[in-house]
Amino acid sequence: EPEVTQTPSHQVTQMGQEVILRCVPISNHLYFYWYRQILGQKVEFLVSFYNNEISEKSEIFDDQFSVERPDGSNFTLKIRSTKLEDSAMYFCASSLVSLEYTFGSGTRLTVV
Amino acid sequence: GENVEQHPSTLSVQEGDSAVIKCTYSDSASNYFPWYKQELGKRPQLIIDIRSNVGEKKDQRIAVTLNKTAKHFSLHITETQPEDSAVYFCAGAGGTSYGKLTFGQGTILTVHP
Repeated sequence: EPEVTQTPSHQVTQMGQEVILRCVPISNHLYFYWYRQILGQKVEFLVSFYNNEISEKSEIFDDQFSVERPDGSNFTLKIRSTKLEDSAMYFCASSLVSLEYTFGSGTRLTVV
Repeated sequence: GENVEQHPSTLSVQEGDSAVIKCTYSDSASNYFPWYKQELGKRPQLIIDIRSNVGEKKDQRIAVTLNKTAKHFSLHITETQPEDSAVYFCAGAGGTSYGKLTFGQGTILTVHP
């Protein structure tokens, strides 16, 4: 069964540093998403991406965040200047038909 | 935007019993309601979903019911097994935020052998 692949599985970074979280969606999928989950809390929407542009973003997705699909296969989330409260599990997801998601295994980001 | 409330936050049952988790949503235009199971440290995995043109859907021991008028939907697990122990999340989507899932707060289900 096709999978959404995320790297790294765990990233530790100093506060104020930039991080890039990488995702390889399922190859024929058209819709791409980033969600985050703070430990013990619910999964929260960050951003959706379709046709090479952001289609929707949440209030969490401020100017410190950006997404890119640089080469037609990868889908990246960049956080420019990390804060302690950015520590969370970040899930990438993709879908062929909007809403029918496949989630990746996640990247645990720890900001120290 | 959509708001999804989920109850209970924790649920403890004996093996073989049934478990029911309930969710309410606020956006009457939402039309897609998936349920995810998440084991510790793992990704959310879709276990069943329902669209607003259907009132009930069943897949072996799992069923979901939807009441559009009351804006609530429920997950029913029968003959629970210890491996059903996990966190379960409901979500709503469609309507004004097409493509975006709004999750409930999660229910920690523990099935005691």
